Amino acid sequence: EVQLVESGGGLVQPGGSLRLSCAASGFTFSSYWMSWVRQAPGKGLEWVANIKQDGSEKYYVDSVKGRFTISRDNAKNSLYLQMNSLRAEDTAVYYCARPDYWGQGTLVTVSS
Amino acid sequence: QSVLTQPPSASGTPGQRVTISCSGSSSNIGSNYVYWYQQLPGTAPKLLIYSNNQRPSGVPDRFSGSKSGTSASLAISGLRSEDEADYYCAAWDDSHVVFGGGTKLTVL
Repeated sequence: EVQLVESGGGLVQPGGSLRLSCAASGFTFSSYWMSWVRQAPGKGLEWVANIKQDGSEKYYVDSVKGRFTISRDNAKNSLYLQMNSLRAEDTAVYYCARPDYWGQGTLVTVSS
Repeated sequence: QSVLTQPPSASGTPGQRVTISCSGSSSNIGSNYVYWYQQLPGTAPKLLIYSNNQRPSGVPDRFSGSKSGTSASLAISGLRSEDEADYYCAAWDDSHVVFGGGTKLTVL
């Protein structure tokens, strides 16, 4: 059974940093592009970043370029999102997605 | 503003057929596959349709997708109360993924 389990969310002050993790199981992780998608409270879905199977290609939505970094460790079946210089508008549930399977999400709240 | 355009709401009565539209451009829907997701209240999105019109195993055949040019549609036939949810279309656009703003489906 495919499982994606996010962790690392929480409350952080504006300008702070967080690192999200996603533990994957039930499939050959190294064979898939992986994504982070977020959903602000009461809002729609917004794609954040993609990473190729071997990590050689990474793409970001304009609003997070230069602040967020997507990475993966295929040996650990894990996906990461390093988030720096966080802003109030980054407050959202962050989902790890394959994207035919999604995790349950982890909430990131940016507030003083 | 979302890159893909969906109506914010739709509704129908049990047993009816409803359709949700998704409008894009040549760089996304016009040249790439369309995906549809269902998000029940308080849960993560679930893939309903991939590659324009394919259903993952376990998705009832009441759900169907179609695409024509730069637009796509999701049709739900035999509407049921448990179909009340938010529905999102998505497509690749160059190296990015773009979503519609979502359609809230109400079963009256």
